[in-house]
Amino acid sequence: NAGVTQTPKFQVLKTGQSMTLQCAQDMNHEYMSWYRQDPGMGLRLIHYSVGAGITDQGEVPNGYNVSRSTTEDFPLRLLSAAPSQTSVYFCATLMQGFSEQFFGPGTRLTVL
Amino acid sequence: EDQVTQSPEALRLQEGESSSLNCSYTVSGLRGLFWYRQDPGKGPEFLFTLYSAGEEKEKERLKATLTKKESFLHITAPKPEDSATYLCAVKGGAQKLVFGQGTRLTINP
Repeated sequence: NAGVTQTPKFQVLKTGQSMTLQCAQDMNHEYMSWYRQDPGMGLRLIHYSVGAGITDQGEVPNGYNVSRSTTEDFPLRLLSAAPSQTSVYFCATLMQGFSEQFFGPGTRLTVL
Repeated sequence: EDQVTQSPEALRLQEGESSSLNCSYTVSGLRGLFWYRQDPGKGPEFLFTLYSAGEEKEKERLKATLTKKESFLHITAPKPEDSATYLCAVKGGAQKLVFGQGTRLTINP
């Protein structure tokens, strides 16, 4: 039982490049979300999904796309990377009706 | 707009020296207040959920309490392994978690 996995762990991009951050879970949790964590800003919600085929925007969605075709996977796409997207990205899952949210180990992204 | 403010930003204690971390919040229709622990280079780890004023929860040397405006995380006789960043978050009517900036706790042996 791997829980929540994220790949890659580290990534360096140049401005304008695109990439996909992967998030997978094997707990059959309906709710999945993406956060970014910046120094002094706390964790901020980017996008979330309450189930396969359903996604919605969080607090800071601009520049990011998501899709949820299966319960297990929730990839985050950066369309055209900008230095302001340099951050640590966390994926999290939650079973409906419960309060404990499980976080992945994070992806540290640097955009030059 | 839901808001969470944690204080202090950083706290350094000696082993065995008890203290408290503060989480002040404003939220429309509290659906839950959450405490997480985060170690360097790792994702946050769930500690507690509190739902209503007066509620308390304990886990080992940690006790979380809740009032209508703030929550405290009390640490009793801490050990060096309690060193971490402690995050507070609230869920309001919008059903989304809003996090504070965290308190970085260091316990010196």
